[in-house]
Amino acid sequence: AQSVTQPDIHITVSEGASLELRCNYSYGATPYLFWYVQSPGQGLQLLLKYFSGDTLVQGIKGFEAEFKRSQSSFNLRKPSVHWSDAAEYFCAVVLLTASGTYKYIFGTGTRLKVLA
Amino acid sequence: DTGVSQDPRHKITKRGQNVTFRCDPISEHNRLYWYRQTLGQGPEFLTYFQNEAQLEKSRLLSDRFSAERPKGSFSTLEIQRTEQGDSAMYLCASSSGLDNEQFFGPGTRLTVL
Repeated sequence: AQSVTQPDIHITVSEGASLELRCNYSYGATPYLFWYVQSPGQGLQLLLKYFSGDTLVQGIKGFEAEFKRSQSSFNLRKPSVHWSDAAEYFCAVVLLTASGTYKYIFGTGTRLKVLA
Repeated sequence: DTGVSQDPRHKITKRGQNVTFRCDPISEHNRLYWYRQTLGQGPEFLTYFQNEAQLEKSRLLSDRFSAERPKGSFSTLEIQRTEQGDSAMYLCASSSGLDNEQFFGPGTRLTVL
């Protein structure tokens, strides 16, 4: 069955430090992959997406992610974390359903805490 | 940019009562999705509309749940005879279908006492 795994439930980094959030997927075909961020009281905001082409994708707020087919991974990175990055981050894979539509399968999320 | 809006933002109800939530998608989007998110979990897909047609329903959507999108614009999600296990955040999203990017609303947080 298709699934998305985010192995780190919580991550704490110091402001200015680098960040990597892990995401592994299980999907037979070439996936469409997304990273979303959710701040308290806010809706999910898209950070970046991968459909095809260059495996290193740039997103908003200085985030990037690299698609590695051999490792079934799509890890999110940021070279220098800001206090405002504290939030919950979700990786998602898009599935093509039997009805011909697309639906998202989300991971369980990684909660990021940033120390001043 | 009006974005996706949801109403109400919070709902507290007693077990056994019926509740209805509304979602207004981005106006030019023909696809609308409902998700449920419980504490510590990612959003789980509930159902999907293309225009007014409900094309996909998750097994999570029990008989007590019903969703409509009568004119292909706004959508409602009704839960009948609420149970404490229905307590969750209910998220709505919409897309134009061109590149599968979904835009999410702020959600409706339901608490069933």
